[in-house]
Amino acid sequence: DTEVTQTPKHLVMGMTNKKSLKCEQHMGHRAMYWYKQKAKKPPELMFVYSYEKLSINESVPSRFSPECPNSSLLNLHLHALQPEDSALYLCASSQVLTSPNEQFFGPGTRLTVL
Amino acid sequence: RKEVEQDPGPFNVPEGATVAFNCTYSNSASQSFFWYRQDCRKEPKLLMSVYSSGNEDGRFTAQLNRASQYISLLIRDSKLSDSATYLCVVSEGDSWGKLQFGAGTQVVVTP
Repeated sequence: DTEVTQTPKHLVMGMTNKKSLKCEQHMGHRAMYWYKQKAKKPPELMFVYSYEKLSINESVPSRFSPECPNSSLLNLHLHALQPEDSALYLCASSQVLTSPNEQFFGPGTRLTVL
Repeated sequence: RKEVEQDPGPFNVPEGATVAFNCTYSNSASQSFFWYRQDCRKEPKLLMSVYSSGNEDGRFTAQLNRASQYISLLIRDSKLSDSATYLCVVSEGDSWGKLQFGAGTQVVVTP
């Protein structure tokens, strides 16, 4: 019943592969987020987009490259990842960046890097 | 010191009982407060926003104490389906896009 969708649900990739994660929301939200979550840890913010512009980059390595083609879509391009990048990647959206900033999460992509 | 601190639990609660737990936050300029629940290997789901006056949603009651910088969640008449990790989340006052997550409190409701 989530209104934020993510594909694929699972992804296994080698360290030399290039892949992309996709996120879509149909709530008319203008802020979208990428998070990384390791087991038994809270989500860690990676990127924030506001009105299709990158607003926050939490010093994420360049092997992760975000893209926001339009207000409903958010991509995360992956290249030359490391095994330690294996995690659950969550997309979220909120109406705008300003308070109260209730964020709604997609189901995530579970990534395994071999 | 962590921005948002929670007792990790687990809180083992008999079905039908009441459980309550708190979280403390360090940034006095924080503006927005939330409780999310997260089931194992699933995404966090917004349970409720927490308002200054306190708010209730069915069996769930949230309170905010700005003076002591903590928020609380109380669950009445616990159901087996309430078993989850409850994340305390605080929106930074100076950068609206960033949420600070607590590490979560695990609740296990037993028959």
